[in-house]
Amino acid sequence: GAGVSQSPSNKVTEKGKDVELRCDPISGHTALYWYRQSLGQGLEFLIYFQGNSAPDKSGLPSDRFSAERTGGSVSTLTIQRTQQEDSAVYLCASSLGPGPGLVGYFGPGTRLTVT
Amino acid sequence: QQPVQSPQAVILREGEDAVINCSSSKALYSVHWYRQKHGEAPVFLMILLKGGEQKGHEKISASFNEKKQQSSLYLTASQLSYSGTYFCGTEWDPGSARQLTFGSGTQLTVLP
Repeated sequence: GAGVSQSPSNKVTEKGKDVELRCDPISGHTALYWYRQSLGQGLEFLIYFQGNSAPDKSGLPSDRFSAERTGGSVSTLTIQRTQQEDSAVYLCASSLGPGPGLVGYFGPGTRLTVT
Repeated sequence: QQPVQSPQAVILREGEDAVINCSSSKALYSVHWYRQKHGEAPVFLMILLKGGEQKGHEKISASFNEKKQQSSLYLTASQLSYSGTYFCGTEWDPGSARQLTFGSGTQLTVLP
């Protein structure tokens, strides 16, 4: 596709359940980022993938959060034993590479609601 | 560390000008500006690199003051379509290959 796609667009889950969020980056983009945006807040960095290098996981808020990227393309963000404070919009972005100043293209996001 | 944006919110009439500032306590390498409309993903506006000149896109331009570690976004003769939340993203180290760190945003509302 022409842009970054994410699925599902909306997810409602019960507290304690696990969820998986998917991101399809722009073809050819080697860098992929996950951000979280709580209501009315800024963008909170979660994790960064660059090619086949080990991901930068420094932004993950707890060990309930994990992410993987298969084949240098699609990425899945997994949240285990979801809590109400996990409710937010999860945004994925990709860019051409690791170089500074490269444009990040955002997907439409997945709105996660934990009840 | 998160860059600081000011003001947090601004309301103006169509045709008026606005300035949004983004400041960092660390030496900046680049600054990105994005606009996000309600319910949509952020959309890239422009990048300013260290040592670069002021950039512009239509009636939206930005500057990068390296001494002050600050960038300013200028919206001239604002249009209704300019409404949204503006985020600045900063990079500190060109070699870190790390993510952008975003400010908390400035909510801009343009009234007719």
